[in-house]
Amino acid sequence: QVQLQESGPGLVQPSETLSLTCAVSGASLGRNWWSWVRQAPGKGLEWIGEIYPSGTTNYNPSLKSRVTILVDKSKNQFSLRLSSVTAADTAVFYCARHMSGANTFDSWGQGTLVIVSS
Amino acid sequence: QSALTQPASVSGSPGQSITISCTGTSSDVSDYQYVSWFQHHPGKPPKLLVFDVTKRPSGVSNRFSGSKSGNTASLTISGLQDEDEADYYCTSYTAISTPLYVFGTGTKVTVL
Repeated sequence: QVQLQESGPGLVQPSETLSLTCAVSGASLGRNWWSWVRQAPGKGLEWIGEIYPSGTTNYNPSLKSRVTILVDKSKNQFSLRLSSVTAADTAVFYCARHMSGANTFDSWGQGTLVIVSS
Repeated sequence: QSALTQPASVSGSPGQSITISCTGTSSDVSDYQYVSWFQHHPGKPPKLLVFDVTKRPSGVSNRFSGSKSGNTASLTISGLQDEDEADYYCTSYTAISTPLYVFGTGTKVTVL
């Protein structure tokens, strides 16, 4: 049973860089795509971007200029960096695994709340 | 790419059936068989209910079923139960535009 666990600071200063890590256990990064999704308070889900273990990435154009997703196969984890954050970036951030052979997400982390505030 | 449109809320009594719609465009829902549905209880991660429009992952109740007509996908919950009260999101994958994954606006299901 694959498990995903997000970790990182719960409070980030405006204009700083938000950094989160998603540790994967129970399965290797293997041949799946892996994504970050966020949900701002009172809002819906928003796809941020995805990464393949080879390092290939795709990003949401609305965030592309500020987002970097990286993979560390030696640690079986991947990470998210979001630069120049504002209060509008306050959200619960989820990491998720893409289902093999299907374009959807079959396993999710519990989510971590990141507040952008001084 | 705008979010897919869902009704803000849908309600029903225990045992009833309800349907949640998800309206997209020819860039997503209409042209691809990649619509998924998630159930989201507050404080928990989203749970995949339906993928590829009509398929259910192993372990998901057959009370949840998906369909699509044109640019509108639908999730039907049959035999509504108290534990079905949650937020529901559709999502569609598109190979020809970005973002690659677009979520719906979300629907709050209330069990009366």
